[in-house]
Amino acid sequence: DAGVTQSPTHLIKTRGQHVTLRCSPISGHKSVSWYQQVLGQGPQFIFQYYEKEERGRGNFPDRFSARQFPNYSSELNVNALLLGDSALYLCASNQWTGENIQYFGAGTRLSVL
Amino acid sequence: GNSVTQMEGPVTLSEEAFLTINCTYTATGYPSLFWYVQYPGEGLQLLLKATKADDKGSNKGFEATYRKETTSFHLEKGSVQVSDSAVYFCALYQGAQKLVFGQGTRLTINP
Repeated sequence: DAGVTQSPTHLIKTRGQHVTLRCSPISGHKSVSWYQQVLGQGPQFIFQYYEKEERGRGNFPDRFSARQFPNYSSELNVNALLLGDSALYLCASNQWTGENIQYFGAGTRLSVL
Repeated sequence: GNSVTQMEGPVTLSEEAFLTINCTYTATGYPSLFWYVQYPGEGLQLLLKATKADDKGSNKGFEATYRKETTSFHLEKGSVQVSDSAVYFCALYQGAQKLVFGQGTRLTINP
């Protein structure tokens, strides 16, 4: 079975632009979470979605938004990009019920110039 | 709020050396604890977990014991290999599917 897949792998944007990152969860997983990992730091929680509804939100500005589709895939959108948004964006999926194990994708590395 | 603190890296060891990476946490209640590993250019992989006090998680020769009295979850391995070179993250589960991570410890094993 395929793991969590994210696209694109790398992305270069300039300040003020908008970006959309995509994630497909493991088949059968209905929950998707997004994390931001700045170089040299641990991942920070951004959003969690289950059954197309936002179930949790981290301490990120309103420039960050996300949604989940009927097939449980998800998009993370960031508006008005800042240099500080440069990071590895990780998507994780899990089954929601049962074990609290999150499975991570390889991430999208975003560089803002 | 809940938080995780890891020993600062980087850590450099010779092959077959004993490894300890310290991790302590601050949390209300009884969180589940995890170690994730990140190899170069890859996402996070679950290495091991423990869900209650005195539980020992183990995988691929790595072990960690959930110590409630010291709020710790130190990672250990008896004999490291070059292939263990990676960044290791300690994390706790806070509920609502949200993981709280430590800052990570970069481990380099020299042959």
